[in-house]
Amino acid sequence: GIQVEQSPPDLILQEGANSTLRCNFSDSVNNLQWFHQNPWGQLINLFYIPSGTKQNGRLSATTVATERYSLLYISSSQTTDSGVYFCAVDQGAQKLVFGQGTRLTINP
Amino acid sequence: DARVTQTPRHKVTEMGQEVTMRCQPILGHNTVFWYRQTMMQGLELLAYFRNRAPLDDSGMPKDRFSAEMPDATLATLKIQPSEPRDSAVYFCASGLLRQTQYFGPGTRLLVL
Repeated sequence: GIQVEQSPPDLILQEGANSTLRCNFSDSVNNLQWFHQNPWGQLINLFYIPSGTKQNGRLSATTVATERYSLLYISSSQTTDSGVYFCAVDQGAQKLVFGQGTRLTINP
Repeated sequence: DARVTQTPRHKVTEMGQEVTMRCQPILGHNTVFWYRQTMMQGLELLAYFRNRAPLDDSGMPKDRFSAEMPDATLATLKIQPSEPRDSAVYFCASGLLRQTQYFGPGTRLLVL
């Protein structure tokens, strides 16, 4: 099956810093989503982005489907950005395959 | 503000007991998913339905797990008998074809 690798596994930053999270996948995909799992365990949708670039406030994402990767950018980090960020892909059957996540800690 | 709801939010039970988890998908979504999250395996798909019909349950242990969708507003996941290794967070999600999947808050299950 398709492999999804996220890097880095852990990231610790000071409030106000910018960060880039990466997601590599081993095969072509029909769908890619980014999620934020907050400290209470809730999975929050960030982006549905099978290709191209999208922005939402301080967050933006870019997927280069031909090169099989996606990037999530977080600018001017806030402590509320802490949590685990997941990338998930599907190959057309809507069955999401998740990466192992990047744990982001934003210190005040 | 439409959202997926799940009950119960927390469940502690003893090994051998039956566990039933319920999910109400977002109204109008025709696809419903069950995922499980553990420290060791991460997030993995157990089963999913489209228009209430089961499409794939290959991720589910067949001997003890069952998933049903008795109507468009209710999906259930049952474990009978439960085992300690079933301890995990179980998420329900709903969506439409080629659109975002929305996740519920999860049921945190502990089997003693």
